[in-house]
Amino acid sequence: GQQLNQSPQSMFIQEGEDVSMNCTSSSIFNTWLWYKQDPGEGPVLLIALYKAGELTSNGRLTAQFGITRKDSFLNISASIPSDVGIYFCAGQLIGANSKLTFGKGITLSVRP
Amino acid sequence: NAGVTQTPKFRVLKTGQSMTLLCAQDMNHEYMYWYRQDPGMGLRLIHYSVGEGTTAKGEVPDGYNVSRLKKQNFLLGLESAAPSQTSVYFCASRRTSTASEQYFGPGTRLTVT
Repeated sequence: GQQLNQSPQSMFIQEGEDVSMNCTSSSIFNTWLWYKQDPGEGPVLLIALYKAGELTSNGRLTAQFGITRKDSFLNISASIPSDVGIYFCAGQLIGANSKLTFGKGITLSVRP
Repeated sequence: NAGVTQTPKFRVLKTGQSMTLLCAQDMNHEYMYWYRQDPGMGLRLIHYSVGEGTTAKGEVPDGYNVSRLKKQNFLLGLESAAPSQTSVYFCASRRTSTASEQYFGPGTRLTVT
C-alpha cells in the first residue's frame, strides 16, 4: 500500500537545538497531520495542515504542507527534554476520505 | 471529556483464547478505527467504521472481528489468539469525513503466549 517516508529512524540532538523532520511520498495528499507519541501512550495530534503551502505553528513547533502536496515538514525550535518521543506524519490521500496513511515515525532523543 | 478510552490497558492471553477490546469515545465522532503498532512497522489499520452499524476492513484484518452497535463504542475481537497478534492496539476516532484529524486512545498492550 501507500507509504509515507520518514528518515532517519532516529535523531539525537542537544537541548536547545532546533530540529527539522520531513515526510515524503510519491503520491499527492490533501491533508497532512503530525503526531507525537510518548513512551507507553497513544499518539497525540500536534498540527493539522489542509492547504498546499500552508505554514502552521503550535508553540515551538512549526509545520508546512509542501507546495507539491507530496511532502510535509516539521520543525521544533529550542528543543527541551520533554520533546523526546516518536514523531509520526500522516496524510490523507485524495479520494481516500476514510483513512490516513502513516509514516513509521522518527524517534527523537534530546541530550541535556 | 475523557476523549478516547480503551479497556483493558494490558492483557496476557494463551494461544487459542478469545478476548474483546473495548474502545469508547465521548466526542460524538462518526468514524472509529482500530490499529496495531509493532516495532519497525508503524501503525497498521485493522478495521474501521464510518458510522454506527457499519464496519470495513483495513490493511491487516485477518484474525480480528469488530462491531459498532453504538456510535460511541467500537469493539475489537480476537476469536482465537495467536502469538503473531502480540502487539499494542490503538483505537482512534474522527469527527466526520470532512475533518481528517484522528484522536487516539492510550492503547492496549496484548501479549499472546
